[in-house]
Amino acid sequence: NAGVTQTPKFRVLKTGQSMTLLCAQDMNHEYMYWYRQDPGMGLRLIHYSVGEGTTAKGEVPDGYNVSRLKKQNFLLGLESAAPSQTSVYFCASSYTRDRGAYGYTFGSGTRLTVV
Amino acid sequence: DQQVKQNSPSLSVQEGRISILNCDYTNSMFDYFLWYKKYPAEGPTFLISISSIKDKNEDGRFTVFLNKSAKHLSLHIVPSQPGDSAVYFCAASGLHRGSTLGRLYFGRGTQLTVWP
Repeated sequence: NAGVTQTPKFRVLKTGQSMTLLCAQDMNHEYMYWYRQDPGMGLRLIHYSVGEGTTAKGEVPDGYNVSRLKKQNFLLGLESAAPSQTSVYFCASSYTRDRGAYGYTFGSGTRLTVV
Repeated sequence: DQQVKQNSPSLSVQEGRISILNCDYTNSMFDYFLWYKKYPAEGPTFLISISSIKDKNEDGRFTVFLNKSAKHLSLHIVPSQPGDSAVYFCAASGLHRGSTLGRLYFGRGTQLTVWP
């Protein structure tokens, strides 16, 4: 029972480099989300998707792009990494209507450092 | 502006005593509230939830209380154990205009430390 899997778990980038974070879920969830967690800031929503082929901006979308070509995958891209994007990134997924019982299922996170 | 607030960044409690974690919210349209627990190097995991039609929900050592008039909820852990040491996030959701169906709004978290 994999749940939500994030790859990679760790990454160090140089300023200006690009990368893609992959999130995969095997629970047939409709909704998927990307959050970043920074000290003292809690979890902030970057982008989310309500279904295959759809994406929308969250609270802190600048500098990121996303794609959801397949229902089970949600990709987060950094086109030109900046030190301000050093953070821990979490992917999550949920059913459309089952928000109350269990809320989100989170991945274990990707720790990204931009130098 | 944060719609879900956890004003205590940290809490330290002795093993066996009660831990009380607090959370306030500003949006009266929120109708479901959840608590998540997060250990270092892991993703948050669901702990307990409560619907706005209730004022209390209990699951083993964990109880969540909701005071809608005060827009306040709290998580009680009794008795506290060292394994409970983690960051606890409060979250809320609601089917209101402008809100993504099912989207959760998170507080900034409270680091709970339970010492022997």
